[in-house]
Amino acid sequence: ETGVTQTPRHLVMGMTNKKSLKCEQHLGHNAMYWYKQSAKKPLELMFVYSLEERVENNSVPSRFSPECPNSSHLFLHLHTLQPEDSALYLCASSPQGSTDTQYFGPGTRLTVL
Amino acid sequence: RKEVEQDPGPFNVPEGATVAFNCTYSNSASQSFFWYRQDCRKEPKLLMSVYSSGNEDGRFTAQLNRASQYISLLIRDSKLSDSATYLCVVRGTGRRALTFGSGTRLQVQP
Repeated sequence: ETGVTQTPRHLVMGMTNKKSLKCEQHLGHNAMYWYKQSAKKPLELMFVYSLEERVENNSVPSRFSPECPNSSHLFLHLHTLQPEDSALYLCASSPQGSTDTQYFGPGTRLTVL
Repeated sequence: RKEVEQDPGPFNVPEGATVAFNCTYSNSASQSFFWYRQDCRKEPKLLMSVYSSGNEDGRFTAQLNRASQYISLLIRDSKLSDSATYLCVVRGTGRRALTFGSGTRLQVQP
């Protein structure tokens, strides 16, 4: 149904683990985004990529490292996370322009123990 | 002050009722406005864009008041399937990313 897929859908990791979240969009879009949604808080923008170039980094700690190898794929590499990083991580894509609608993937629900 | 503010609710209404949500935004230079819907444990999905002239899509009507910096969503003849969290979303000039409100939860009851 959705043109944006994310894997894994659920992830439990310890604070010393290294893991990666993957996002893939099948819509031919040129911009991709990572958002974080914590309980009872609004979605927070983390990173924006346009044509594979990072154009926004919203003061995200370095334990989160994005990678955009091409316009269809976006990764979020995680290492030495904290329990407060537990949240729903949502990927989105949009065609390119500043008025374009963003389409979200189903998210990865991350729990850090 | 939050960039986008919404009443968290919940709004509990009977089927068939009309319900309205308001949202205020702080950045007067904001250019694009949207309502997204998010079901429990699911991703946000675009419900409708909001235009200065107001727009309607079936039972849903959205309006924008730039002078007062608020956006409204009216739902007529509520259905059980309308139960969800409604997110007010704003985009600033030249920015690609969206700023989300915390959402207003609607529960339509039989």
